[in-house]
This record gives sequence, C-alpha cells and structure tokens, in this order.
Amino acid sequence: QKEVEQDPGPLSVPEGAIVSLNCTYSNSAFQYFMWYRQYSRKGPELLMYTYSSGNKEDGRFTAQVDKSSKYISLFIRDSQPSDSATYLCAMRSYNNNDMRFGAGTRLTVKP
Amino acid sequence: EAGVTQFPSHSVIEKGQTVTLRCDPISGHDNLYWYRRVMGKEIKFLLHFVKESKQDESGMPNNRFLAERTGGTYSTLKVQPAELEDSGVYFCASTPGHRPDTQYFGPGTRLTVL
Repeated sequence: QKEVEQDPGPLSVPEGAIVSLNCTYSNSAFQYFMWYRQYSRKGPELLMYTYSSGNKEDGRFTAQVDKSSKYISLFIRDSQPSDSATYLCAMRSYNNNDMRFGAGTRLTVKP
Repeated sequence: EAGVTQFPSHSVIEKGQTVTLRCDPISGHDNLYWYRRVMGKEIKFLLHFVKESKQDESGMPNNRFLAERTGGTYSTLKVQPAELEDSGVYFCASTPGHRPDTQYFGPGTRLTVL
C-alpha cells in the first residue's frame, strides 16, 4: 500500500465548476500537508500549506485536512481554464524534510 | 529574483553512459533537495543538503547516484553508469532554512536512458 493515495484522474470540468481533489494517507505521523500545482513541462508550484487538521482558504482555493480520517482535500471555486494543470498533494512528518507525494490528479477546465 | 534553475532541460543517453545534472538554487537558500519522478509514479525524495552537507540521503536508489554541493551553492547529481530504470524527470527544490515547507521547485531535467 502506498503511503499517499491520489486518484490520477483525468478530471474534466466546465469553467465555473467547483473542483474537489483528494488524497488519503496511511502514516499518522504526517503533520504538514501541501498542495502543489504543476503545469506541463514545469516544476511543481506550492499552492497551499496546512499544518495539522483544519481548513485554510486562499482566494478561490480551500484546503482541508482531516487527520482522524487521514484525508485531505483541495477545493477550487469558480474554476478557470488557467487552473488546468496537475495537482499534487504532499505531506511530511515533524522534523522530517522527506516529503511524500501523491501521484497527482490531472485537471482540465473547459471554457 | 531568479528561481531555481536546472540544466540540462533534457538529456538522452545510452545505457552505461554517465550523466551529470545541475541545479542552481535560489540565492541564499541553504536547503536543497533532489527528487525524481519515474514515468507513471509519484515524485520521490532523493536527498537533502543543508549548505554543503548531506542532511538526508535515504532516498538515493543506489551507489550509481552521487550528489554534491560544493561550497553550498549549486548542486550536481551524477548517474554513473546509467541504467534504463533511471529514466524520469529529476527535480531540484530549494528553501530558506526557516521555511522548510516552502520549497521552490526547478523545471526539472528529463532524463531518457536508451
């Protein structure tokens, strides 16, 4: 079993839709949770960073962490064609810089 | 401010050859990381430098891989001899010491071993 599971998609939605991206994990030691966006032929770009459980909002993006269920989510409101990219979840434990990544979900937002 | 740069962007070599990948982190970033993504798999950690010292190299797959960071600036990752399974995209990331989760990634080097 992988430490981090992420549905690779692909996921296709119309412009303006709410997008929900999710990851599950098995290591209860994970404390820091990140979402990265990666455009084609580019490196991952940090979108959201959350420590422990709870919600964090930044513009159209909301990250949720439920440590009891070992489940994290990223919501994108009013999705735009420019949001089309691969979204990667990543996480690590305290005092350990070795990040574990999900496989990434490829998202396409159609105009 | 210049971002993390990597060179080359793409390398095609034959099995048994040697390849050296280079990463230039953001100026002033003491922490430098190497990651690899093999086709169809997730990005995996290879190693972590703090300045010129290897902090954690637990992700290095075998002794054919050698990473260096002389002087604590740029880093190189050498694969010698390359094998078919080494093909993938190699990413470098850097971060200031006080923000370990704000990792800035380079565009990656796509390595193809034939």
